[in-house]
Amino acid sequence: KQEVTQIPAALSVPEGENLVLNCSFTDSAIYNLQWFRQDPGKGLTSLLLIQSSQREQTSGRLNASLDKSSGRSTLYIAASQPGDSATYLCALLTSGSRLTFGEGTQLTVNP
Amino acid sequence: ETGVTQSPTHLIKTRGQQVTLRCSSQSGHNTVSWYQQALGQGPQFIFQYYREEENGRGNFPPRFSGLQFPNYSSELNVNALELDDSALYLCASSHQRETNTDTQYFGPGTRLTVL
Repeated sequence: KQEVTQIPAALSVPEGENLVLNCSFTDSAIYNLQWFRQDPGKGLTSLLLIQSSQREQTSGRLNASLDKSSGRSTLYIAASQPGDSATYLCALLTSGSRLTFGEGTQLTVNP
Repeated sequence: ETGVTQSPTHLIKTRGQQVTLRCSSQSGHNTVSWYQQALGQGPQFIFQYYREEENGRGNFPPRFSGLQFPNYSSELNVNALELDDSALYLCASSHQRETNTDTQYFGPGTRLTVL
């Protein structure tokens, strides 16, 4: 059974700081890994998707990496802004087309 | 191209009642997956429908059931509601091929409160 762990559970940083969110998983048999953003009480916004054969993806100030051999992914956010405050979830797509999610990292960027 | 939509946005029910949640998939998508997200937790997979048939189920009891219609929209039905069913219910659509699995796109969710 795939298990996904996200560390830290919560993070508070001053505006402008670069930060790294971590995601670890137990089963490397994945199709892809996605990072999502979720604002309070809202649905999920996909940020980055890394296919199983890829090592990283970049979009603007966001960079996500994937290391299947070690069962880890990181989401790097450069020059954080208060608008980046949200919960960040990583999810793995496995056989059966189901996404397995971590419990998220709640990020607060203070002005 | 329209995105994934869900209705209603919010819903309040009492314990023991039944509820139906609806999801319209993104244009061109043939697969709908449902997830339950309790407060402060990550979403949990409930089940998936592909071409109108259930195509995988998570660890949820039979009182959680679903349907997919010919236009690929879907319903999630929950019978005999319990307090722990209070959660955000998320629907995701994707286009699944025979030999490949595509990205899932999420709707805004339905917030269910059971009193």
